[in-house]
Amino acid sequence: GESVGLHLPTLSVQEGDNSIINCAYSNSASDYFIWYKQESGKGPQFIIDIRSNMDKRQGQRVTVLLNKTVKHLSLQIAATQPGDSAVYFCAENRSQAGTALIFGKGTTLSVSS
Amino acid sequence: DAGVIQSPRHEVTEMGQEVTLRCKPISGHDYLFWYRQTMMRGLELLIYFNNNVPIDDSGMPEDRFSAKMPNASFSTLKIQPSEPRDSAVYFCASSLARSTRNIQYFGAGTRLSVL
Repeated sequence: GESVGLHLPTLSVQEGDNSIINCAYSNSASDYFIWYKQESGKGPQFIIDIRSNMDKRQGQRVTVLLNKTVKHLSLQIAATQPGDSAVYFCAENRSQAGTALIFGKGTTLSVSS
Repeated sequence: DAGVIQSPRHEVTEMGQEVTLRCKPISGHDYLFWYRQTMMRGLELLIYFNNNVPIDDSGMPEDRFSAKMPNASFSTLKIQPSEPRDSAVYFCASSLARSTRNIQYFGAGTRLSVL
């Protein structure tokens, strides 16, 4: 399954499928990006990050891809599990804003078994 | 480490009352951030501190909101007087400046309801 982040806020997938969550950012000066997962009733939890000098970074079951040409970021989750159900946010660090992170609106991932 | 600790977890108050939200950052972290989250506006940065000094408060909605960080292990966000439109979940986060990665660690949040 695939979403377009801000334009399609809900992504529904079957357990075991791969999920792709997309995010567009607007500032070409942004040099650092983070994905957070937020479960119901909890605070955002760090998943994975990437610097602008990279175009891909892999973690456990997750991969972040960065396309600076079109200012696009994606989070791929392999073999999606019911425990992955949450809201996923991308955030960017705009150099001129110091350490402040700018968060996107989020995409809800719903995994059915 | 216990992570970022916020209190209370839930606060219900009446319009016009003063509300104080509290945060204990992760020990050793030198940046502290206050965010507000609503369905309509998402996650908004209100203010952040570096070494207990406010760096950017441009996100604070209006003069009714104030934040302090008297020491490295404690911060408060105060709303006086509170209004129904302040109802939201308020998050505190902290990070370590020396790290090359700008990972902010969030608390569990305070859910504020102003009646």
